[in-house]
Amino acid sequence: GQQLNQSPQSMFIQEGEDVSMNCTSSSIFNTWLWYKQDPGEGPVLLIALYKAGELTSNGRLTAQFGITRKDSFLNISASIPSDVGIYFCAGRSDSWGKLQFGAGTQVVVTP
Amino acid sequence: NAGVTQTPKFQVLKTGQSMTLQCAQDMNHEYMSWYRQDPGMGLRLIHYSVGAGITDQGEVPNGYNVSRSTTEDFPLRLLSAAPSQTSVYFCASSYTQGDRGMPAFFGQGTRLTVV
Repeated sequence: GQQLNQSPQSMFIQEGEDVSMNCTSSSIFNTWLWYKQDPGEGPVLLIALYKAGELTSNGRLTAQFGITRKDSFLNISASIPSDVGIYFCAGRSDSWGKLQFGAGTQVVVTP
Repeated sequence: NAGVTQTPKFQVLKTGQSMTLQCAQDMNHEYMSWYRQDPGMGLRLIHYSVGAGITDQGEVPNGYNVSRSTTEDFPLRLLSAAPSQTSVYFCASSYTQGDRGMPAFFGQGTRLTVV
């Protein structure tokens, strides 16, 4: 069954705000991924993390691989309207393991 | 490059009917996979393939079949549709599953309703 807990489930933010969401696992992972899904579209890979403590940025997005290897965080800085969508975390415990996905965080940006 | 192409985008089936969801990629990716997305849940892996002629089951394979006769195509077959298979289906691909290969490219999805 699903082992990833993603929070918050949804967030309503104002344009310009910085936001943060996280994902926790019941087991140690060696890879964390973050995806964004726009309405009616498939997920798009944003950031991939491969070792504990790793911090990677993609524009205004920054993701971190938690030190415990059981969590990961995604930050969006200076949010803009096009940040609206569902953000999914995903992870796996070894290089040939299957990915597990979180249930997603719905982000709504208000002007 | 078209990326990952899924057809159809929408489909309504009656219980018991069979159908095939098509998926094609033009990036010469070895790894392809099928996921279903249900409200309030993460994507769940149905079947995957690490190369032509090789397929394996994912987390929720019951009621679905796949084949991989070419690198480009990875169709998903519903054998006898049930209302529980109402979902949005995504096909994904990447260079390899192992090491740094991940389902990096997703299709636009097929929204399936079984009545």
